[in-house]
Amino acid sequence: TQLLEQSPQFLSIQEGENLTVYCNSSSVFSSLQWYRQEPGEGPVLLVTVVTGGEVKKLKRLTFQFGDARKDSSLHITAAQPGDTGLYLCAGGTSGSRLTFGEGTQLTVNP
Amino acid sequence: DSGVTQTPKHLITATGQRVTLRCSPRSGDLSVYWYQQSLDQGLQFLIQYYNGEERAKGNILERFSAQQFPDLHSELNLSSLELGDSALYFCASSIQPGQGTDTQYFGPGTRLTVL
Repeated sequence: TQLLEQSPQFLSIQEGENLTVYCNSSSVFSSLQWYRQEPGEGPVLLVTVVTGGEVKKLKRLTFQFGDARKDSSLHITAAQPGDTGLYLCAGGTSGSRLTFGEGTQLTVNP
Repeated sequence: DSGVTQTPKHLITATGQRVTLRCSPRSGDLSVYWYQQSLDQGLQFLIQYYNGEERAKGNILERFSAQQFPDLHSELNLSSLELGDSALYFCASSIQPGQGTDTQYFGPGTRLTVL
């Protein structure tokens, strides 16, 4: 069974601070997705990474896929209250279902 | 807007009843996935359909069933409902398993409340 472990589980920071969320597994994935979910709503896709070592930037968010394609990180620079939400990573293995992490609940305080 | 639609948005019913949740995938997507998310729990994969055929099963109860129709929309049927079935139910779609990146796009969900 493939597992994805996210850390930290909860994160509460002040506006303007930087943070990093980690997603780790002992399994190799062909792709890694990051989603953000707000209460009562569906997860919204932020990014998909597919190549080991790949780095993608989305404004203040930087996503990295590990060289061995077993882990990923999400770094947010100068966090804002609008970044508050549940961040989920999900690993794909070419044709099978996605494996989701348990999520990181981020709260950015004004 | 992901392009995935789900109806209804909210559903309130009683124990023992049966409900049907509906999902329309993004235009061009052939695969549909159903997930359950209970309070304070992660996304639990229920079942996947690809082009009308069941592709993979997760933690789906025997009281639950699903199907995908020729027009590619999907329905999740929940019967003999129990209090513990109260949850958010999400549908997601992707282009085709094994093609591209396995990226799934989620609908807005149906909140089911069983009283």
